[in-house]
Amino acid sequence: DTAVSQTPKYLVTQMGNDKSIKCEQNLGHDTMYWYKQDSKKFLKIMFSYNNKELIINETVPNRFSPKSPDKAHLNLHINSLELGDSAVYFCASSLGGHDTQYFGPGTRLTVL
Amino acid sequence: SQQGEEDPQALSIQEGENATMNCSYKTSINNLQWYRQNSGRGLVHLILIRSNEREKHSGRLRVTLDTSKKSSSLLITASRAADTASYFCATETGANNLFFGTGTRLTVIP
Repeated sequence: DTAVSQTPKYLVTQMGNDKSIKCEQNLGHDTMYWYKQDSKKFLKIMFSYNNKELIINETVPNRFSPKSPDKAHLNLHINSLELGDSAVYFCASSLGGHDTQYFGPGTRLTVL
Repeated sequence: SQQGEEDPQALSIQEGENATMNCSYKTSINNLQWYRQNSGRGLVHLILIRSNEREKHSGRLRVTLDTSKKSSSLLITASRAADTASYFCATETGANNLFFGTGTRLTVIP
């Protein structure tokens, strides 16, 4: 069983499109996250979310929005995609906010 | 910036040798974590050390933490080719977020 899964694994799209990446965790965790890893392998937190609070990294453009239909899912919606959005996006989850995070396999987004 | 910095950026050793990677950070932390990332894959948690701990072991891994110097080190003993990966430190500061360092790319030559 995959603990944290993401779909799709690869996403290629044109500038200006709107796309979503889905994330699911079956660990019963309360907190989920989205990270962006750029071409230089630098990982940056985008959002953290539990059923009470959404914490947004202030550097993330408002074209990015997380949506959580339930505790096990945190999907990432991106509007009006730009070339600079090309990166690998990782979802993660943890039991609590200060615990070990378990990462998904990543989604490689390419914006043409 | 709260991100950590790993040193060295890249490290190449022979199988069987020990590998040491260092991480420095800037702010007070609750804990510091080390992760491994194989090429094209997600991150795998290796070890978590809390701010009141100084050393922790897990198998061939040894992590130290010096909060006065705001630094940590990861030692991998008796390295194997399968240890080839990028290693990241990440600091947890109490805001539910991890701030990752820039990573050390380790290559273990068989």
